[in-house]
Amino acid sequence: LAKTTQPISMDSYEGQEVNITCSHNNIATNDYITWYQQFPSQGPRFIIQGYKTKVTNEVASLFIPADRKSSTLSLPRVSLSDTAVYYCLVGASTSGTYKYIFGTGTRLKVLA
Amino acid sequence: KAGVTQTPRYLIKTRGQQVTLSCSPISGHRSVSWYQQTPGQGLQFLFEYFSETQRNKGNFPGRFSGRQFSNSRSEMNVSTLELGDSALYLCASSSLGPINTGELFFGEGSRLTVL
Repeated sequence: LAKTTQPISMDSYEGQEVNITCSHNNIATNDYITWYQQFPSQGPRFIIQGYKTKVTNEVASLFIPADRKSSTLSLPRVSLSDTAVYYCLVGASTSGTYKYIFGTGTRLKVLA
Repeated sequence: KAGVTQTPRYLIKTRGQQVTLSCSPISGHRSVSWYQQTPGQGLQFLFEYFSETQRNKGNFPGRFSGRQFSNSRSEMNVSTLELGDSALYLCASSSLGPINTGELFFGEGSRLTVL
């Protein structure tokens, strides 16, 4: 059974860099890795997407090792407004069946 | 540009009933996908529609079904409701497909409570 796991929770202080890792052993060969942010009572919001190596945009970086069995979302200099739940999303193949699988979610709390 | 609209936002049903949820995607988006979110199981993919065709389906029983209309609006239906169906049902749209090759735009969800 394909599983995509993340740490349940993380605490950080304002201004620090936060790294959240997602393990996705069964990622499909040609699939992307996408990260989303979710605030209470809202739908998830796109943060970043990548296929391999490193991707950077105005809010985050995404690091993907060569075997692509994990990925790390990096949030530079977090602020209180970054307190949210973060999910990775991958496509995974198991027994010839392709499924979209969200990670278990990481609840990030940013402290003043 | 209007975002993804889901209706109703909240609803309460009893076991055995059925429910229909509606999703209007962002104008021009042809892909609509549905997700169930619960505290215990997290975010789970239900199904995806593109140009009125179901393109992919998650591991949910046949009680969960959906469809997409020619204007890209989508509905999902859950029949013979069970207590465990209580969840936030999220809809997302995208201009591309499959769903993990671009950005998904989510609605605020429909919160279903089954009593």
